[in-house]
Amino acid sequence: KQEVTQIPAALSVPEGENLVLNCSFTDSAIYNLQWFRQDPGKGLTSLLLIQSSQREQTSGRLNASLDKSSGRSTLYIAASQPGDSATYLCAVKINSGYALNFGKGTSLLVTP
Amino acid sequence: DGGITQSPKYLFRKEGQNVTLSCEQNLNHDAMYWYRQDPGQGLRLIYYSQIVNDFQKGDIAEGYSVSREKKESFPLTVTSAQKNPTAFYLCASSIPGSGGYTFGSGTRLTVV
Repeated sequence: KQEVTQIPAALSVPEGENLVLNCSFTDSAIYNLQWFRQDPGKGLTSLLLIQSSQREQTSGRLNASLDKSSGRSTLYIAASQPGDSATYLCAVKINSGYALNFGKGTSLLVTP
Repeated sequence: DGGITQSPKYLFRKEGQNVTLSCEQNLNHDAMYWYRQDPGQGLRLIYYSQIVNDFQKGDIAEGYSVSREKKESFPLTVTSAQKNPTAFYLCASSIPGSGGYTFGSGTRLTVV
């Protein structure tokens, strides 16, 4: 069974810092990997989707990388803002499965 | 705008009662999913459906039932057999294969 781990579980940074969130997975036979953002009491908002053939995806201040061979993905947030405060979830879809396998998330707090 | 609508946003269930959570999408996605989210546990898959009139159990299907009579709709019933139903329930949809997932805004179910 695919296990997805996110480190750290929680992170607090001052506004303006660049930061990296980590995601690791145990089965490298993945279809794709997706990063989501979740605000308290809300649903999930998709941030970036990386297909297994891709190495990275970028959207604005966000950049996600994928290294299948090592079972790792990172989400890089540049010039963090208080509005970035949320929980960030990493999810992996494996080749033989239909649904996403989620990590437990990283809770990010950006202080003014 | 296309999206997923979950209703109600909050739901209260008495002991021994069955309740049904609604999920409707207008994205023309074939696949739909139900996840349960508990604090500190991440998202866990309850049921999924790849096509109309077909659905499969996920990791924690006991005490739940679903139907998929229309492409747009995938309601989830929480039965009295589910002993610990208090949680946040999320519905999602996707294009089968390499497509990304879109999530609804969630339903918070509380047992009273």
